[in-house]
Amino acid sequence: DQQVKQNSPSLSVQEGRISILNCDYTNSMFDYFLWYKKYPAEGPTFLISISSIKDKNEDGRFTVFLNKSAKHLSLHIVPSQPGDSAVYFCAATFGNEKLTFGTGTRLTIIP
Amino acid sequence: DADVTQTPRNRITKTGKRIMLECSQTKGHDRMYWYRQDPGLGLRLIYYSFDVKDINKGEISDGYSVSRQAQAKFSLSLESAIPNQTALYFCATSDLGAEQYFGPGTRLTVT
Repeated sequence: DQQVKQNSPSLSVQEGRISILNCDYTNSMFDYFLWYKKYPAEGPTFLISISSIKDKNEDGRFTVFLNKSAKHLSLHIVPSQPGDSAVYFCAATFGNEKLTFGTGTRLTIIP
Repeated sequence: DADVTQTPRNRITKTGKRIMLECSQTKGHDRMYWYRQDPGLGLRLIYYSFDVKDINKGEISDGYSVSRQAQAKFSLSLESAIPNQTALYFCATSDLGAEQYFGPGTRLTVT
């Protein structure tokens, strides 16, 4: 039972445009959500997070939106840059005990 | 120096062999985790430990065992490796927050 789903395995976006990565979850107990970025031959690195008491969190070019009623979150990257090409994982947790990850979306930024 | 290190980085072994993957951290975190990554399946939790005396099974612990030798060290063992354990393995650490810090990964191939 996949509790966190990323339905788009890949996404291509032109440099300078907005990248939108989506994530859906099924467990209403989740109270904190994170996005990780992964380059080849490296471990995932934390990008941005959001608590369930908020609906938006912004950090520079990255913004995460949370829609609790739809059990949906999205990551917006504006403007997209070539260095943003990576695999992005969303993750969710409740009580900060362990993370449940989605299957990942490979983002390719086209110069 | 990296905060979370994993050894070896790459390993090829034969079916039935015992193998140990090691993880060390200098972040001073109490919590440590082992994940495996497979194409299309994202990151799945194998085992986790909240302190030296605490070991917990994750969602896919069958065929694996762990040892928490010290706060800084967490080892993953495959007692009798099988080909479907071929994967990328990641160690991660965290403090009391949800954010986890990952090592660079070990690519394991079982032939």
